Amino acid sequence: DARVTQTPRHKVTEMGQEVTMRCQPILGHNTVFWYRQTMMQGLELLAYFRNRAPLDDSGMPKDRFSAEMPDATLATLKIQPSEPRDSAVYFCASGLDTYQPQHFGDGTRLSIL
Amino acid sequence: QKEVEQNSGPLSVPEGAIASLNCTYSDRVSQSFFWYRQYSGKSPELIMSIYSNGDKEDGRFTAQLNKASQYVSLLIRDSQPSDSATYLCAVNSSGNTGKLIFGQGTTLQVKP
Repeated sequence: DARVTQTPRHKVTEMGQEVTMRCQPILGHNTVFWYRQTMMQGLELLAYFRNRAPLDDSGMPKDRFSAEMPDATLATLKIQPSEPRDSAVYFCASGLDTYQPQHFGDGTRLSIL
Repeated sequence: QKEVEQNSGPLSVPEGAIASLNCTYSDRVSQSFFWYRQYSGKSPELIMSIYSNGDKEDGRFTAQLNKASQYVSLLIRDSQPSDSATYLCAVNSSGNTGKLIFGQGTTLQVKP
């Protein structure tokens, strides 16, 4: 089965460090989404792309977060500088189009000390 | 703020029973609806998608959509202990923008 691939699976780093998370969407999917999941807030959409163009990043703290899609096979989410409150599981998902189901990767479990 | 509401549970049912999970949403123009299952420590896994009023069946799962009343439900027949998980309702906001709004999830416990 085709799957969304995320790296790294786990990341522990100190406050202030840069964190980069990567995502390879399912081949042929033209929409890519970044979510964050915490116990308190649940699943929140941070940003998403269609045909590599950013459509909405209103869920993302723009002073420290950035999302890019340098090519059709790679999406990145960066946090600089990181803070303890950024600790969460970050999921990438992809879909055939905006109205189609989204398929999730295994996530990056991020801990900021 | 567009919202998706679910009872957090836990919903406890005996093995072999029907589990009924409900979800209401506030955005009247929503057109696509999804149920995801999430095991503890794992990623959400798509169970069902539904776009039209009525019922949609897939194996032991049936999704029901009523746009007039703004609710979506998921029925799981012949519940198994392996169905024990958190079930997330997701609604595509403002039509089909792709911007999914997730409920907080309902925890289902199926007891042998």
